[in-house]
This record gives sequence, structure tokens and C-alpha cells, in this order.
Amino acid sequence: DAKTTQPNSMESNEEEPVHLPCNHSTISGTDYIHWYRQLPSQGPEYVIHGLTSNVNNRMASLAIAEDRKSSTLILHRATLRDAAVYYCILRDVYSGGGADGLTFGKGTHLIIQP
Amino acid sequence: GAGVSQSPSNKVTEKGKDVELRCDPISGHTALYWYRQSLGQGLEFLIYFQGNSAPDKSGLPSDRFSAERTGGSVSTLTIQRTQQEDSAVYLCASSLAGQPILQPQHFGDGTRLSIL
Repeated sequence: DAKTTQPNSMESNEEEPVHLPCNHSTISGTDYIHWYRQLPSQGPEYVIHGLTSNVNNRMASLAIAEDRKSSTLILHRATLRDAAVYYCILRDVYSGGGADGLTFGKGTHLIIQP
Repeated sequence: GAGVSQSPSNKVTEKGKDVELRCDPISGHTALYWYRQSLGQGLEFLIYFQGNSAPDKSGLPSDRFSAERTGGSVSTLTIQRTQQEDSAVYLCASSLAGQPILQPQHFGDGTRLSIL
């Protein structure tokens, strides 16, 4: 799977929007962009995924650049519970068929200030 | 509904002992994954089951590690002759059938294994 680059950490204030960037300049046409997060002392939690179009769900929005070389996870109104490590992961539809699992990088440690 | 359940939540054992970690996936999820997360490290994928079958076991760290799944449900990860470097949080995830790439993986909270 292609590599992703994320900032090591970001800080935001409670009740404000948060934009978490991810660069994936070597993304292929069959790579889906997935986001997971891991709260302290818990297993990772699926957040959202997309291919080309922007996606929205109850947790967040995913904005994908037109050239797909970058994407941004948007938390519209951060709460203290959103403090976690956020992982941007690419998954190639034709690579292993799922048998290779998720490849987690270092992710972005999001700090929320009250 | 019930999520992925792992037991025990914590396990402390002496070097050289065998340990068995259990994962109960979400009902109806045919895909099951094992990962481990060492202190300060990222998550490392270990093995994937589709039903009771694991097509690729090359991600297991050594031949001391084995995993099985029976009845398409519960899975166990066994570590024989534990070493201190086996200390980590072992995480299990499950997902629905269909295109695995597109199905979200649902994780348990892991088993924290400490080898003395």
C-alpha cells in the first residue's frame, strides 16, 4: 500500500472545528483512503473512508483533493472525547483482498484544550 | 449491540510460559484480524481469518505464535515459550463479509500482555 504522511501532533480548542491533514502523493487509482482513531487505552475505531468524492457521516467529514494526493479529516465541533491518535490509511482494492490487514503509521496525536 | 470482546484484559506471566488470548468477534462477522501494539510502537498486523481459514500466516512474528478459529467465531492466539519482547497489547478486530478492503474493522480493547 502507498505511504501516508501526517503531522505528529495537533492542538485545538473544544467546540471548534479541527482539520487533520494527510498527504499521500503516491496514491494509486485503486487506493481507498481510510481514517481510524485510537482513544487512550482503547482499540482503534473506524471513522470514515472514501475514494474520490468527499464523504460525510455522523462522526466526521472527509475532504479529498481533486488530484487525490492529499485528504483532510474534518471534525466539525471538537469535544474532549475527540482527543486521540488519528490514523490515515490507504488500502488498495486489489492488494491482498484484505488478507494483509491495516497498515498503521504513527498517526496524528490530537490534543483538545478545554 | 455487543462489540468485539477480548479476554483476558490483562495477563502477567513469567518468561517461558505459554499464553492463550481469546477473541469473540461481533456476531455475523466472518473476517477476523489479530494485531499487536508494542509500547511506543504502531500497530502491527499479525494474521487474518476469513471464516476458519487463514490464507497467510507470514505476519506472525515467530513460530512460537499460532492462531486458530473454530466455528467461524471465536479465535485464539497462542504464544508458546513467551519472551520479554512479546510484551505488548494484542488487539483483535472483526468485519463483515464482502470486499474486506471496504468493510470497517471493529476492534476490541485488547489484551495487555506483560512478560516478567
